[in-house]
Amino acid sequence: AQSVTQLDSQVPVFEEAPVELRCNYSSSVSVYLFWYVQYPNQGLQLLLKYLSGSTLVKGINGFEAEFNKSQTSFHLRKPSVHISDTAEYFCAVSDNTDKLIFGTGTRLQVFP
Amino acid sequence: EPEVTQTPSHQVTQMGQEVILRCVPISNHLYFYWYRQILGQKVEFLVSFYNNEISEKSEIFDDQFSVERPDGSNFTLKIRSTKLEDSAMYFCASSAQGRDGYTFGSGTRLTVV
Repeated sequence: AQSVTQLDSQVPVFEEAPVELRCNYSSSVSVYLFWYVQYPNQGLQLLLKYLSGSTLVKGINGFEAEFNKSQTSFHLRKPSVHISDTAEYFCAVSDNTDKLIFGTGTRLQVFP
Repeated sequence: EPEVTQTPSHQVTQMGQEVILRCVPISNHLYFYWYRQILGQKVEFLVSFYNNEISEKSEIFDDQFSVERPDGSNFTLKIRSTKLEDSAMYFCASSAQGRDGYTFGSGTRLTVV
């Protein structure tokens, strides 16, 4: 069965610093991988996705993620964060079906 | 940018009552979903719907739950007899091609008292 592990429940960081949010998955088949962002009192917005091809995926708002099959990871990175990036970030995986399995989320808190 | 619209944004209901949560998916999308997020917990899959029938459902989606696409534009989730543990944020989503990425609505916060 698939599962997603987000190792950090909270990540505090100062503005303009780089950040990495970690995501590991387990699946016996090839997967699609996603990062979603949830701003306070809002829905889930797709940041980026890996379906196939290049392992480095660029998304919205300056975020990128790298698919590493050998380490079963899909970590999200941003070289310089803004206050407005404060939100909850969810990693998700989909295998042969079209349902998404979500991780428990990482709360990114950006301080001035 | 096309949106998935959910109404109401908040709903308070008494235990045992029926509730219907409504969603208007993006017009050319063919795949529809409901997820829920209990406060402080992760987002969980409830059900997927394609070609006017359920394509997959989770263990959470028991006989108390049903979905319907009554008029070709709305997509509804009905909970027949609500329990306290049904309190959660319910998200509707739609997709043009299934698993390659959804658009989520902004959610309906259901509170059962």
